[in-house]
Order: sequence, then structure tokens, then C-alpha cells
Amino acid sequence: AQTVTQSQPEMSVQEAETVTLSCTYDTSESNYYLFWYKQPPSRQMILVIRQEAYKQQNATENRFSVNFQKAAKSFSLKISDSQLGDTAMYFCAFTPGNYQLIWGAGTKLIIKP
Amino acid sequence: DAMVIQNPRYQVTQFGKPVTLSCSQTLNHNVMYWYQQKSSQAPKLLFHYYDKDFNNEADTPDNFQSRRPNTSFCFLDIRSPGLGDAAMYLCATSPKGGGGSYEQYFGPGTRLTVT
Repeated sequence: AQTVTQSQPEMSVQEAETVTLSCTYDTSESNYYLFWYKQPPSRQMILVIRQEAYKQQNATENRFSVNFQKAAKSFSLKISDSQLGDTAMYFCAFTPGNYQLIWGAGTKLIIKP
Repeated sequence: DAMVIQNPRYQVTQFGKPVTLSCSQTLNHNVMYWYQQKSSQAPKLLFHYYDKDFNNEADTPDNFQSRRPNTSFCFLDIRSPGLGDAAMYLCATSPKGGGGSYEQYFGPGTRLTVT
């Protein structure tokens, strides 16, 4: 069975600090796609970053970057210079490319002023 | 801007009274999804459409139905809502062929309250 595990239910850091959210997954597929989605309180789910498994280079989007370790089946998200607006639930998700996402349980991230 | 729109944003219904939630999209995506999300849990897929082909998840209760009259619109019908159906309902879309990444684009959600 394909699964996604986020081992940190909640994290809290000071504004401007760097924080890393963990995600591991299990699959027998060789090609697949990984995502981090952000869902601020009472607001819309939005895509933060995506990674194609066949790409060795780690994806980066401004202050957000990933550490993709294919052999270890690990896909962590690093947020640099954290801002108050980064407070949200963060979901790691996986798809083997069949239109369905397999979701982790989520990590609640709180950025403190 | 192209987007996914959900109406209403908040819906209150009575126990057992049918309710319909709507979703529209201006992205011209072929695939549309309905998710149920409870209190900061991960979204749970109810069903999805690939064009007009309907795909129901095995554990989606029969109480939940869906219609997609055209590419742009999709409806979620809850025939006899129970207290356990109170949740956020998310609509999402993705392009045909995955658009190269199978990313899903989400609407703002409809929060359903059952009294």
C-alpha cells in the first residue's frame, strides 16, 4: 500500500527562523510526484512546491525548498526566514500519476512573532 | 484569474434535509474532485470525474452523489445529511494528462453545518 507519513503533528518557531517539516512515503513505483500543500486557517489549500521523482535536483520556490531523498523515500520541506503568514497546516502528498493524491496527516505550523 | 469557485461558502442544513453544494471552474480542466475534510485532517477523496467518467471511492457512503453537467460545473448532493457529515467540502481540479505534474487546484471550500 502507498502511504505518506508526517511525523510532526505540530511545530512552532519564531518569526525569521528556519523550520523543516518531515515527510516520508512508501511506494513501489519508480516514477511519481510529490507535493507540499499549505492550508492557512479558514483559507484555501494552495500548492507550495512540487517535485518529480525522476528529477534529482531539489525543487525550490523562493523561501521554500525541499530535500528529496529518493532512496530513503523522504521529502522534507524547509521554510527559510519564516513569516507570520506561513502559519498553516502543511500537507505532504504523493501521486503515482493516476489523478489521485495520497495525503499525509498534516503538520500544524505556528510562526510566533 | 482562472480559478475554482465554490458556492455557498457556508451552508447550514437540517438533519435529513437534502443539500447541494456547487463547484465551478474557469481553468478548463478535465478532472474534477470532491473531498471531505474534517477539523484539520487530511482531505478525504469522495469521488472524481475524468471528463464525464465518474469514479467513486469504495468507502464513499451512498448518501453522497455527484453530477457534472458540463466541463465547468460539478455538484455534490448529500441526500440525507447526518451529524457526521458536518465538514468542509473541497472541490479541486486538474488538467488532462496531469498537466505534467498531476497538481490539483483547490477551491475555497464549503463549510457544511448540520443541525
